[in-house]
Amino acid sequence: QSALTQPRSVSGSPGQSVTISCTGTSSDVGGYDYVSWYQQYPGKAPKLMIHDVSKRPSGVPDRFSGSKSGNTASLTISGLQAEDEADYYCCSYAGSAWVFGGGTKVTVL
Amino acid sequence: EVQLVESGGGLVQPGGSLRLSCAASGFTFSNYWMHWVRQAPGKGLVWVSFVNSDGSSTKYADSVKGRFTISRDNAKNTLYLQMNSLSAEDTAVYYCVRSREGFDYWGQGTVVTVSS
Repeated sequence: QSALTQPRSVSGSPGQSVTISCTGTSSDVGGYDYVSWYQQYPGKAPKLMIHDVSKRPSGVPDRFSGSKSGNTASLTISGLQAEDEADYYCCSYAGSAWVFGGGTKVTVL
Repeated sequence: EVQLVESGGGLVQPGGSLRLSCAASGFTFSNYWMHWVRQAPGKGLVWVSFVNSDGSSTKYADSVKGRFTISRDNAKNTLYLQMNSLSAEDTAVYYCVRSREGFDYWGQGTVVTVSS
């Protein structure tokens, strides 16, 4: 049950696009289409942004999109806005457990 | 409105025990899988444990296996986490989480501090 690998931080200017990668193995990310992404503000509970690799729950802006290739999943935020500055975590089902990434801090310049 | 309200956190000495509870409302509790996820101070999210909708299947992270027990009472719409042999490494905010398509609803968390 090793944590998925995410960059510690990414940044972009308002209106730009940023992409966060989430690298695992064939036992988790590569083996199942059960990757999800969460947004967390300081001191708050996480919020589901993407589930099943690329599906957006109701109410999540379509600026957020997810994809997967092999053992790496990605979250892209298009048209970056100030309120997108937060921590983002990926998560994957791993057969007998679930595993999170270490988290990525998104900074809006 | 879906609500998950955790309770039972607090300060406990190393080696001690604690039982967390999570009161669910606003949905049919017995239809959903439930999880506990924790977050140590300044650190990332870590999945802890899972229970299926009728309580017949459970899973645990290696770090808590043999020490923690997850359970649920569908008649009381409540999820539990019994934590034994606690160590400083278990200090964290513990979140109760509903899942169907992803972890779709989270409680506000309850703080567990293990210290002498």
